Amino acid sequence: QKEVEQNSGPLSVPEGAIASLNCTYSDRVSQSFFWYRQYSGKSPELIMSIYSNGDKEDGRFTAQLNKASQYVSLLIRDSQPSDSATYLCAVNINGYSGGGADGLTFGKGTHLIIQP
Amino acid sequence: DAGVTQSPTHLIKTRGQQVTLRCSPKSGHDTVSWYQQALGQGPQFIFQYYEEEERQRGNFPDRFSGHQFPNYSSELNVNALLLGDSALYLCASSKTGTGRQYFGPGTRLTVT
Repeated sequence: QKEVEQNSGPLSVPEGAIASLNCTYSDRVSQSFFWYRQYSGKSPELIMSIYSNGDKEDGRFTAQLNKASQYVSLLIRDSQPSDSATYLCAVNINGYSGGGADGLTFGKGTHLIIQP
Repeated sequence: DAGVTQSPTHLIKTRGQQVTLRCSPKSGHDTVSWYQQALGQGPQFIFQYYEEEERQRGNFPDRFSGHQFPNYSSELNVNALLLGDSALYLCASSKTGTGRQYFGPGTRLTVT
């Protein structure tokens, strides 16, 4: 059973601070990793994708991947109240790296609250 | 550039009935995946369609079936509805070779 684990939170962070969200996965074959943001009552929105070990930065967001530890994280710098949402970690199911588009296994999400 | 669209937005059905949900992918995308999201949970993968065929399937019973049309749009059919089928049904589209999936707004299904 392929699993993705996230702390459900809520994770409360002061405005302007760095929010750190973590995710572990069980299947060593997984090759593609994604972070989605989901506001209450809305659908998930893709914010980051990462395929190789190390860091990937996009604006205020940094995704970090450590395949040896089966660990993915998302850092949000200069957190804003508009960042308050549930953050979903997802990994591909069959382990293909970008070929086609595999079904994704999601964690339950971490509820992030940015305190003004 | 239109994103992923889904219809209807909301639907109320009775136990035992059948339902069809529809999805149009983002322009340029050729792959459609369907997910079920229960309240407080992450989306669960139902199946994926590419080139009008089911390419991959999650752990869902045969009551869940689908179709993809030549224009890449897709339908999700659920037969013999159960109360437990009440959920947000999400369609995601992607372009072969990229791996990144983009979600539509979802269809909220309530089974009474």
